[in-house]
Order: sequence, then structure tokens, then C-alpha cells
Amino acid sequence: NAGVTQTPKFRVLKTGQSMTLLCAQDMNHEYMYWYRQDPGMGLRLIHYSVGEGTTAKGEVPDGYNVSRLKKQNFLLGLESAAPSQTSVYFCASLTGGQPQHFGDGTRLSIL
Amino acid sequence: EDKVVQSPLSLVVHEGDTVTLNCSYEVTNFRSLLWYKQEKKAPTFLFMLTSSGIEKKSGRLSSILDKKELFSILNITATQTGDSAVYLCAATRVYDKIIFGKGTRLHILP
Repeated sequence: NAGVTQTPKFRVLKTGQSMTLLCAQDMNHEYMYWYRQDPGMGLRLIHYSVGEGTTAKGEVPDGYNVSRLKKQNFLLGLESAAPSQTSVYFCASLTGGQPQHFGDGTRLSIL
Repeated sequence: EDKVVQSPLSLVVHEGDTVTLNCSYEVTNFRSLLWYKQEKKAPTFLFMLTSSGIEKKSGRLSSILDKKELFSILNITATQTGDSAVYLCAATRVYDKIIFGKGTRLHILP
């Protein structure tokens, strides 16, 4: 039972490049989340999903898109990466009334 | 706008001391308050609080929620160097949007 798996773990991009971060969970959780964590800022919610085929904006959605085509996967896309998107990205999932399970994070650097 | 505020932002104490971390929240349709410990990687779950005045305990850690005053505290007694971490507080809403505070960075000196 892998829990929440994020790929890749590290990535370096140039400004303007695009990429997709993948989050996969094998716990049949309904809810999935993408956060970014910057020094001194805690975890800020980018987008979240309350079920397959649905997504919603969080606190800092600009510059990101998401998709939840399958229940177990939640994809985070950067269409045109900017240095301000350099961060550690965490994915999490949960089932109703329970605490979140987090992935190990993706460290993304935009040059 | 929903928000979660933690204090202090950082704290340095000596091993054996007792610490209290604070978390206040303003969240519409509030459902529960969560505490996490974060060391090098992903946050690990500590407590979920949904009812006022009921203390939850796990070893040297305990936490309580006050839904009238909209705050929670996390206590750590007889601190150890392994307690050094960032402690995150989060508030969940009815539809499971979860808002985190900025965290309290705790450093325990030997």
C-alpha cells in the first residue's frame, strides 16, 4: 500500500517551460489537494478536488491548472513556468472526516 | 476570507521545558482543527479536534480546541531534541477545503 505518491521528486525548469506534476493515491480517497510550501509561508492551497472530474481553486491558483480525470490521480500543470513558482509542492488526499495523507513532495526550481 | 494564524512563528527552548503553541482561526463552515508535525519531508498527522473542551493526548503531546474563542493550543511537555520541527495547524471547512497556518518552528536545545 503506497499511500500518496508524487512524481517527480525533483525538477529544474527554465522560465517559460511547461510541466505536469503527478499525484497518485491508492486509498480510494475522494478528496485530493495540491499545496505549495515556501519558507515561512506554511502550506498554501493551490487547487483541490472533491471527486473525480471536479476541481476547485484554492488560495493561490494563478499560473496553475489541474485535472482529475481518474479518482486516483490528480495532476498539477504549469503552462509557462515562472521563477516565482520555485517551491516545494505537496499533494494530499483524504476521505471524509479523516485527516489528510501527504506525499513526500516535489522540489521544483525555475531558473 | 478564511485564515489560520499561528503563534509564535518560531521558538527556541531547552530540553525538558514545556511549550505551548497557539492557533487561531476564522473559517466559514468550520468542521475541524488539525495539528501536524513537519520535519524534513511531508507533514505527519498529530491530532484532529472537532469538539470544544475535549483534550486529546498522545504521549507528551496534548491539544484542545475552543470553538467559542476560535483557537486551539498544542502542548508539549518534557521536550526532547526529537521534538524539533515545524508544527502546522490547519482548519477544515464543511466541504473539506483545508487552510493551513504558516507554522511554528520549534527548536529544542540539548
